[in-house]
Amino acid sequence: EIVLTQSPGTLSLSPGERATLSCRASQSVRSSYLAWYQQKPGQAPRLLIYGASSRATGIPDRFSGSGSGTDFTLIISRLEPEDFAVYYCQQYGGSPFTFGPGTRVDIK
Amino acid sequence: QVQLVQSGAEVKKPGASVKVSCKSSRYTFTSYYMHWVRQAPGQGLEWMGIINPSGGSTSYAQKFQGRVTMTRDTSTSTVYMELSSLRSEDTAVYYCAREAYGDQVFAYWGQGTPVTVSS
Repeated sequence: EIVLTQSPGTLSLSPGERATLSCRASQSVRSSYLAWYQQKPGQAPRLLIYGASSRATGIPDRFSGSGSGTDFTLIISRLEPEDFAVYYCQQYGGSPFTFGPGTRVDIK
Repeated sequence: QVQLVQSGAEVKKPGASVKVSCKSSRYTFTSYYMHWVRQAPGQGLEWMGIINPSGGSTSYAQKFQGRVTMTRDTSTSTVYMELSSLRSEDTAVYYCAREAYGDQVFAYWGQGTPVTVSS
């Protein structure tokens, strides 16, 4: 089973600032099958990034993903008020499809 | 737009079973695999398993082997997740999630079904 570790656990930033979220895998993620999801309280997760760097339909270009192998990054270039949420990475290259523990992005 | 509509909240006693449904619409039901994911209160996301709506084949996370059963009804475009021998630790929101076109990523999610296990 691939274990995903996310850092930091919480990121306190102001609107307009840049957010950098990290996701590290315990072993190489096959074919960069790494996704990022955003979740707000009381809502289902929403797909942001798939294939490590491809934006899902309708996702603003301030969200970008990068990385390969075991190290992946999600960057939000300029935080908007609606971006304060919890972000999860997930590997879907093989069963079980594991998620990271999440990074909470809070308003500073 | 793809729609996944789940059944309503459930309250169960320890030892009982729960069956959650996820009704699909606005796409070809048998063309996309469906996953189940759960989230305990204040916790992260946990993958439970996958079902192929076409043939009905399944694969479950080891943690749930022997307790979970995923099925589908092609006549109503609905998938089901049944979890048995419930314990308090199974209190969570349960989500169905459909794969994307040409990719196994979870592109579409149901609204979630809260399940509370309490005596």
